[in-house]
Parts: sequence; C-alpha cells; structure tokens
Amino acid sequence: AQKVTQAQTEISVVEKEDVTLDCVYETRDTTYYLFWYKQPPSGELVFLIRRNSFDEQNEISGRYSWNFQKSTSSFNFTITASQVVDSAVYFCALSGAQGGGSEKLVFGKGTKLTVNP
Amino acid sequence: EAQVTQNPRYLITVTGKKLTVTCSQNMNHEYMSWYRQDPGLGLRQIYYSMNVEVTDKGDVPEGYKVSRKEKRNFPLILESPSPNQTSLYFCASSFSGLAGNQYFGPGTRLLVL
Repeated sequence: AQKVTQAQTEISVVEKEDVTLDCVYETRDTTYYLFWYKQPPSGELVFLIRRNSFDEQNEISGRYSWNFQKSTSSFNFTITASQVVDSAVYFCALSGAQGGGSEKLVFGKGTKLTVNP
Repeated sequence: EAQVTQNPRYLITVTGKKLTVTCSQNMNHEYMSWYRQDPGLGLRQIYYSMNVEVTDKGDVPEGYKVSRKEKRNFPLILESPSPNQTSLYFCASSFSGLAGNQYFGPGTRLLVL
C-alpha cells in the first residue's frame, strides 16, 4: 500500500529563516508521482509541484526548492528566506503510474508552517 | 475563468437525510476526484473518475456514491449521511489523471447532526 509520512506536524519560524518540510513515502510502484500542495488559512488547495519517479533532479522555483531522493524515499521541500505569506499547511502526496490502475492519490497528514514576523 | 465549482459551500443536515454535493469544471478535464479533509488525518480520496462513465473507489468510499454522466460534472451523493461524515470536502479535476496538475474546488463544509 502507498503511504506518505510528514513527521513534522507543526513548524514555527521567524521571517527570513530557511525551513525544510520533510516528506517520506512508501510505494511498490516503479513509476509514481509525488506532489506538494499548499493550503493557506483561506482554505483553498494550491498545487506547487509534481515530480515523476524517473526525474531525480532537484527543482528550484524562486524561494522554493525540492529535493527528491529515491534512495531514501524522500521528497523534501525547502522555503528559503521565509515570509509571513508562506504560513500555511503543506501537504505531500503520492500517486501510482498513470494508466497503471493506480490513479489514487494518497496525502500525508500535512505540516502546518507558521512564519512569525 | 478556468475553475472548479462546488455547491453548496456550507451545509448543515441531519442524520439520514440524503444530500448531493455538486462539482463542476469548465476546463474539459478528463479526471475528477473527491476528497475529504479531517483534522489530524489530512486529505483522503473518496472516489475518482478517469472519464465519463468510469469511476473507481479511493481510500474511503464507504457511505458515498458518485456518478459521471457528463464530463464536466461529478456529484458526490450521501444517501444516508451520518455524523462521521461531517467533514470538509474537496472536488478536483485534471486534464490527464494524476500526471496532470489537479485543480481543486473551494471546498464544501458539511455538518451532519
């Protein structure tokens, strides 16, 4: 069965600090996708990134970066120079290969990030 | 504007009274899905649909029904709601299954008394 673990339930930082959100996953699929979503206090869910299992390149988008390591089954998310607007709940998610009968999406329980001024 | 809409946004009902939460998308997406979000449990998938007339169970399908008669609509039906179905529900869609970016609706907060 697929599983996503976000061990950090809540993190609190001061503005401008860097912060890393951990995500560890379990799957037997050889082809799978990993996602990060953001849920700000307003409640909507915002897609941040999708990674397929064959692409282990790290990705950077502005202050956001993602470190995908298959060897440790981790897909960690780092926010550099955090801002108050980054305060949100962040979810990591995992799905099986498209068309492989595994179109289910499994979410971690989320990490609540609070960035204080 | 490309969007996923859900109605109603808030609903208070009583145990056993059938209800339907509608979900509609205007992006011609093939894939649609329903999730529920509960404190401490994160989001869990209820049902998904790869295309019209094709639906399948997610991780927590008990007590729910869905139908996909048209591409744009994917209603969630609670035939006999119970208090343990009190939750925040999200509908989502994507162009090509989970390989595509999922767009989420605004959520429906349901309270079953």
